[in-house]
Amino acid sequence: ETGVTQTPRHLVMGMTNKKSLKCEQHLGHNAMYWYKQSAKKPLELMFVYNFKEQTENNSVPSRFSPECPNSSHLFLHLHTLQPEDSALYLCASSQELDRPFSGNTIYFGEGSWLTVV
Amino acid sequence: AQRVTQPEKLLSVFKGAPVELKCNYSYSGSPELFWYVQYSRQRLQLLLRHISRESIKGFTADLNKGETSFHLKKPFAQEEDSAMYYCALKEGSQGNLIFGKGTKLSVKP
Repeated sequence: ETGVTQTPRHLVMGMTNKKSLKCEQHLGHNAMYWYKQSAKKPLELMFVYNFKEQTENNSVPSRFSPECPNSSHLFLHLHTLQPEDSALYLCASSQELDRPFSGNTIYFGEGSWLTVV
Repeated sequence: AQRVTQPEKLLSVFKGAPVELKCNYSYSGSPELFWYVQYSRQRLQLLLRHISRESIKGFTADLNKGETSFHLKKPFAQEEDSAMYYCALKEGSQGNLIFGKGTKLSVKP
């Protein structure tokens, strides 16, 4: 499959569980991103990776732990989440790290719907 | 602080009518603005960016620095335009995208 693929598409987890979201891109891109989309908030950037190195952590609580083993894969490890963490988590990638006026295009996955009970 | 405001949560028009989705921004630097679209059951995708000054699927958007706006317009809406539309601002040296809350466009037959 081409593009940005996220699994699972839907996840229900308890507050004491540990789970992971997976993202894979088949576009040969070097930068990958995690975004969070809550019901009543705009899409928010969480983490940015460039060539497997984390370049941005947008003040995300430590109960969210990203991992980028290579430029094609990105994980979001989840542990001891709260009900307010229930949201749509979007993965994205781009050829290079997104910079102003770079002409870079970000490609999004379909998202993983997370419900914390 | 940088912000993107889309004042309308829902915009409903009839097919063939003009449509304008509003976006206002607040940014202290030189802004770079985008419109993203999400059709039903599809992923979020880039529709257009202001630096390209392009028309995509009949949509255009002009950056008005005086009014700090980047409204998305189409003269004749089509049913297939029904979707969620997000305005986004790229900010800072990292170029992180800041999104508005989105406007749901519903084009009725």
